[in-house]
Amino acid sequence: SQQGEEDPQALSIQEGENATMNCSYKTSINNLQWYRQNSGRGLVHLILIRSNEREKHSGRLRVTLDTSKKSSSLLITASRAADTASYFCATPQSGGSYIPTFGRGTSLIVHP
Amino acid sequence: GAVVSQHPSWVICKSGTSVKIECRSLDFQATTMFWYRQFPKQSLMLMATSNEGSKATYEQGVEKDKFLINHASLTLSTLTVTSAHPEDSSFYICSGKGQGYEQYFGPGTRLTVT
Repeated sequence: SQQGEEDPQALSIQEGENATMNCSYKTSINNLQWYRQNSGRGLVHLILIRSNEREKHSGRLRVTLDTSKKSSSLLITASRAADTASYFCATPQSGGSYIPTFGRGTSLIVHP
Repeated sequence: GAVVSQHPSWVICKSGTSVKIECRSLDFQATTMFWYRQFPKQSLMLMATSNEGSKATYEQGVEKDKFLINHASLTLSTLTVTSAHPEDSSFYICSGKGQGYEQYFGPGTRLTVT
């Protein structure tokens, strides 16, 4: 199985700034997902982007996918203290599977 | 979104005892449920996949006799950690998958084995 790797591992910003997290993966995928996890809690699905999509928006979230570079980015605009959490990218366990395998995540801290 | 609950949210048990964790899909039928474990500041590692009414499929390196999974109905799956040891202390998270691709995660169960 392949695993996405997020970068940076930790990010600390001020409220109102934008936060960008990157994810790189190794083999071809048909979809990539981003999740959020508040400390000591379960995961919340943020967005899924398919391999034939280059960009997707959801509220203050913008996700891009570059299949030629095998990378994705998650941009949170106008961040808020409540955005403080860990963010994970997830790639399919195998082939066309939708079972996600997770990277180690980016820990985002937004200071009020 | 759909809701998945876990019970208990945290448990402390003595080494050698068994612990059962429940995972319920509250407002949808989860044809497939997944169990993950997560160590501090680490990724979620998939332990097993279970489909209602059939045996769970375990990931490589996960002992099926130690981590017993039962998916008796479309809304309930249980994970029993048998003869728990301190190294089993971890955060266990379940998720349920409905008809679509999306998985809905439970809030997790913190297991501490003393």
